[in-house]
Amino acid sequence: NAGVMQNPRHLVRRRGQEARLRCSPMKGHSHVYWYRQLPEEGLKFMVYLQKENIIDESGMPKERFSAEFPKEGPSILRIQQVVRGDSAAYFCASSPQVGRGYTFGSGTRLTVV
Amino acid sequence: GENVEQHPSTLSVQEGDSAVIKCTYSDSASNYFPWYKQELGKGPQLIIDIRSNVGEKKDQRIAVTLNKTAKHFSLHITETQPEDSAVYFCAASNPTGTASKLTFGTGTRLQVTL
Repeated sequence: NAGVMQNPRHLVRRRGQEARLRCSPMKGHSHVYWYRQLPEEGLKFMVYLQKENIIDESGMPKERFSAEFPKEGPSILRIQQVVRGDSAAYFCASSPQVGRGYTFGSGTRLTVV
Repeated sequence: GENVEQHPSTLSVQEGDSAVIKCTYSDSASNYFPWYKQELGKGPQLIIDIRSNVGEKKDQRIAVTLNKTAKHFSLHITETQPEDSAVYFCAASNPTGTASKLTFGTGTRLQVTL
């Protein structure tokens, strides 16, 4: 069981570029959550998805951010036209049932230069 | 929505001593309270969790207590070891329907000194 796989581990983007973060949940897990962690801060909820559905996106910025979890393939968090304030660690978690037994990936550390 | 407060933000203990981290939550509907340990450069790792029908849970050197009336829950680590040094996060959720997201505290940086 490979756990929650996130890639890339580190991503550097220039201001205005697009960032794509990928997350493959644990086998058998159909619930995926994305969280953002700023340096020296806690984790802030962004979005909760199940296959082909966004269940709760109350933590997503209204513009430039989107997420998907297609029928086949990993979940993708997409940030368009990145700005320096987007620099953070982005963690994906999956669970086999609603809201419990979260397993986190190792995160993608996005740096916008 | 839910709000979780965590104290202290930093905690330094000597090896072998106990460490206690406390959290409070605001939403009385929350009924699931996990604790995560995050080491430098890694993702959070679940170390113990408790549900609201239980007042206390123990796993070797780690225990968690829950006071639903006061909306408090605490993490207790006994006989601390250097490898316990990390950032610890508490969280709360009401895992039903769409209200399943975890709300995290701001973290406690635990340093176990020799």
